[in-house]
Amino acid sequence: RKEVEQDPGPFNVPEGATVAFNCTYSNSASQSFFWYRQDCRKEPKLLMSVYSSGNEDGRFTAQLNRASQYISLLIRDSKLSDSATYLCTVNSGGSNYKLTFGKGTLLTVNP
Amino acid sequence: NAGVTQTPKFRVLKTGQSMTLLCAQDMNHEYMYWYRQDPGMGLRLIHYSVGEGTTAKGEVPDGYNVSRLKKQNFLLGLESAAPSQTSVYFCASRRDNLAKNIQYFGAGTRLSVL
Repeated sequence: RKEVEQDPGPFNVPEGATVAFNCTYSNSASQSFFWYRQDCRKEPKLLMSVYSSGNEDGRFTAQLNRASQYISLLIRDSKLSDSATYLCTVNSGGSNYKLTFGKGTLLTVNP
Repeated sequence: NAGVTQTPKFRVLKTGQSMTLLCAQDMNHEYMYWYRQDPGMGLRLIHYSVGEGTTAKGEVPDGYNVSRLKKQNFLLGLESAAPSQTSVYFCASRRDNLAKNIQYFGAGTRLSVL
């Protein structure tokens, strides 16, 4: 089982749609979880951290299920500017010195 | 505040040539990383450093060397470039190993090896 696995995508949705991305991780000792966003030909940038109780930032909601080793990202009322690749990220090896990134899910929001 | 700066932004090499990619961060971060990103492969860790004077191998270290002589700089070297090293290289830094701390990335270096 790969360390971090994401929905393969791509996702093509109309403006205003709600879209959800899922991610599973293999190391039960992982402690930190993030969603990064990467625009075409740009560097990854943090979208949001994922907390145990779940957290929300405007139109974005992140959830963590430790029992199932599952992370999700929900985007409501999609905007054209949300078009990007979303990377699920966890710390790896039970330590905090490095992060492991999923391969990413490409989202295209269409007018 | 520049954050993480990578130089050069683009480079074309011939097979067998050598080069060094420079990463500089001005956030006083302890941890620094080098990744490569290829289509369909995601980000793969090449080498990383947990402090000045230390380096360690990541997932795909072969063909690369690194040095961290100063805390703010992390150099990635290709001694004899191969076409398989054509990729986009990202440097990142992180304050320390606290779980909550995120990684900040540089803008990337696009390298083509012919």
